[in-house]
Amino acid sequence: KNQVEQSPQSLIILEGKNCTLQCNYTVSPFSNLRWYKQDTGRGPVSLTIMTFSENTKSNGRYTATLDADTKQSSLHITASQLSDSASYICVVSDYKLSFGAGTTVTVRA
Amino acid sequence: DGGITQSPKYLFRKEGQNVTLSCEQNLNHDAMYWYRQDPGQGLRLIYYSQIVNDFQKGDIAEGYSVSREKKESFPLTVTSAQKNPTAFYLCASSKPRGRNYGYTFGSGTRLTVV
Repeated sequence: KNQVEQSPQSLIILEGKNCTLQCNYTVSPFSNLRWYKQDTGRGPVSLTIMTFSENTKSNGRYTATLDADTKQSSLHITASQLSDSASYICVVSDYKLSFGAGTTVTVRA
Repeated sequence: DGGITQSPKYLFRKEGQNVTLSCEQNLNHDAMYWYRQDPGQGLRLIYYSQIVNDFQKGDIAEGYSVSREKKESFPLTVTSAQKNPTAFYLCASSKPRGRNYGYTFGSGTRLTVV
């Protein structure tokens, strides 16, 4: 069973709208949680890294939150742009990285 | 600019052939990794190396081999023993394999069996 579960599997939003992606994990002990953006046919690019003591971290229009007690994280995209169309991957780290399957976001004009 | 370069971008393999995927980094990172990505699944670790001339199996090493003769290079060979090699392969690097170091990924190689 995958230790990192992401939802939804995919979503479609209109340009300018906001959206929130979810990540639930069972990895323990937990060192940090990362969100990556992966464009089609490209490698993942880091958006945020949060340690267990951090609750929120922002990178431009991307804001990640973390609740280490409930083992949940979310990634909020504000005022979406067409370039936000990508897969977003949640990665949880103890002594190794455990990857979620990703949420595919499609932004339409 | 520093980064990781994977080549080729697309690779086609015939049944029974071995093929080698290239990964080069100029970030002066100690650790390098190979991951496999299949649709609907998270990345899975094939092999990793923390130092030159040393490497360790990951979760799905069967049918693959690697070498680390130089700090900058970590090639992956997909052997004929790998029965389902069609996938997207990603190379990554980091400073010493540690919990809080960022990982830098290459742009990937898409391997298809023909």
